Amino acid sequence: AQSVAQPEDQVKVAEGNPLTVKCTYSVSGNPYLFWYVQYPNRGLQFLLKYITGDNLVKGSYGFEAEFNKSQTSFHLKKPSALVSDSALYFCAVRDGGSYIPTFGRGTSLIVHP
Amino acid sequence: GAGVSQSPSNKVTEKGKDVELRCDPISGHTALYWYRQRLGQGLEFLIYFQGNSAPDKSGLPSDRFSAERTGESVSTLTIQRTQQEDSAVYLCASSSQRGGPIDEQYFGPGTRLTVT
Repeated sequence: AQSVAQPEDQVKVAEGNPLTVKCTYSVSGNPYLFWYVQYPNRGLQFLLKYITGDNLVKGSYGFEAEFNKSQTSFHLKKPSALVSDSALYFCAVRDGGSYIPTFGRGTSLIVHP
Repeated sequence: GAGVSQSPSNKVTEKGKDVELRCDPISGHTALYWYRQRLGQGLEFLIYFQGNSAPDKSGLPSDRFSAERTGESVSTLTIQRTQQEDSAVYLCASSSQRGGPIDEQYFGPGTRLTVT
């Protein structure tokens, strides 16, 4: 079984400040973890993924995520937020050989000037 | 095309009518997924196609929902006798699956369905 949780419905940060969007997961095998971003009236866009190897994964638009096996977390981070980063962010997990990912409920990121 | 396309972008229908939603995946992508996204909710998995294998229909919420895919190309999602609770955005995604389950998904813009 696989599940993912995004504990925050909304995250607000000031432009220029660092941001973190949290994600925790539960799997019985090896986790494959993904972050996607959804802008208004658009489909989801892939940001980054963790499969194996280095725990710090770098992705599009300056985003990165850190895989923490002991805490079963995969938090999304960015050192300096932009107003244009305001969007809905989804974490997703696949358990081992599963081809169907489970998505979190999404976190609305609001970056204010 | 360069990305996943879906049509129509918006559909308003009366309760009890049938609707058909279309998805054109990225050329060469063998895997295709349908999801439902209700307002303020996450993505609800509906159905998964992989090549010529039997589809995984485990997410379809009722027998009013069905989907087909022609080979590795276009897919249609059909909802019969629509109900107001079917109102949502229906998202389609495709994936190459060449690397197995590690490959990311590419999403279309969605079809916003409103049942009145």
